[in-house]
Amino acid sequence: GQNIDQPTEMTATEGAIVQINCTYQTSGFNGLFWYQQHAGEAPTFLSYNVLDGLEEKGRFSSFLSRSKGYSYLLLKELQMKDSASYLCAVRSLGGGFKTIFGAGTRLFVKA
Amino acid sequence: SAVISQKPSRDICQRGTSLTIQCQVDSQVTMMFWYRQQPGQSLTLIATANQGSEATYESGFVIDKFPISRPNLTFSTLTVSNMSPEDSSIYLCSISGQGDYEQYFGPGTRLTVT
Repeated sequence: GQNIDQPTEMTATEGAIVQINCTYQTSGFNGLFWYQQHAGEAPTFLSYNVLDGLEEKGRFSSFLSRSKGYSYLLLKELQMKDSASYLCAVRSLGGGFKTIFGAGTRLFVKA
Repeated sequence: SAVISQKPSRDICQRGTSLTIQCQVDSQVTMMFWYRQQPGQSLTLIATANQGSEATYESGFVIDKFPISRPNLTFSTLTVSNMSPEDSSIYLCSISGQGDYEQYFGPGTRLTVT
């Protein structure tokens, strides 16, 4: 089966950098997603990694190590509006083409 | 990216009744997914709905409780049958887009069962 672990909550200061880790176990790995979700809203796509390494997109970067079953999302120059839940999700081909989500990390950005 | 709409956006229903949720996409997509997000929790995949075939349900979800239709490449419905308060949740439609990696979500349907 699949298992995805990420911290429940994190707190960081405005302007700082925060790293949200995600570890996973799956068969038929076909990519890892990060989503941002504000309370009461649908998830918003942030990034996708299928090969090892770092993908950078503005203030957000995502890293993947397939051999370690590990990813992280790096948020730089934190802003108050970055306070949200960050969902790690893994797509696999096992049992059909589907994406399974971790429990999410609630990030609180304080002034 | 594709535009995804859902109807209704929210509803309050009585125990024992059924509700059908519609998902409309403004372009043709191969794969559509239905997720549930219970209060304070992450997303749980209910089923995958591909046009021209039966929906594939995840463990813990059955067709009698959550029948799904996928009549064409732009539309799908999810019915929540014989509802109980435990079905109170947000139901989200999701699509796999043009690129290999794109997956987007509709705005969700907030269901409350009393």
